[in-house]
Amino acid sequence: GDSVTQMEGPVTLSEEAFLTINCTYTATGYPSLFWYVQYPGEGLQLLLKATKADDKGSNKGFEATYRKETTSFHLEKGSVQVSDSAVYFCALSGGLGGATNKLIFGTGTLLAVQP
Amino acid sequence: DSGVTQTPKHLITATGQRVTLRCSPRSGDLSVYWYQQSLDQGLQFLIQYYNGEERAKGNILERFSAQQFPDLHSELNLSSLELGDSALYFCASSVEPGEYQETQYFGPGTRLLVL
Repeated sequence: GDSVTQMEGPVTLSEEAFLTINCTYTATGYPSLFWYVQYPGEGLQLLLKATKADDKGSNKGFEATYRKETTSFHLEKGSVQVSDSAVYFCALSGGLGGATNKLIFGTGTLLAVQP
Repeated sequence: DSGVTQTPKHLITATGQRVTLRCSPRSGDLSVYWYQQSLDQGLQFLIQYYNGEERAKGNILERFSAQQFPDLHSELNLSSLELGDSALYFCASSVEPGEYQETQYFGPGTRLLVL
């Protein structure tokens, strides 16, 4: 079945460092890809999404490009801030032809940014 | 604020008991999804409703059931509770499930603790 694999955490960075969180997927069909963020004690918020190959999603300085050839959707940010500390989830939907757009999540990556 | 509301925020109960979690989707959204977040299973899709009808089922136990009412709010019923049911339960909503690029908006979650 469809699945998402993302890098194990925690990822610990200093403020203003470059961030990459790797995400790869396995899916039949043409899924949409998402990054969600969960701040401590809160629910999930959509960070960005991409719906077809070569699309780039971006928001709040974060970017991810849908790479069909490598089945990847890596999250990047050029300069992280302490306020970016959170758990980041990669997810996909619609891989089975759109019968349902339930989300399939990766295991989440904890990012800790130190001042 | 995503516009999705969930009550209660916290729930503490005993094994063998039954609880009901409630979700109100964003105004105009017809589709509701339930997810479970636990330490050992991660974030897993449970069930989806669209305009009152069940649309898809995921890893939902037989002891769990859900429904969506005419006013589009949804309830998740968990019965014969076990220690392992302790988790964060999220509700999400989207406009309709037909387009797999539809964004799902998540509520703040209900944290269930079974003692």
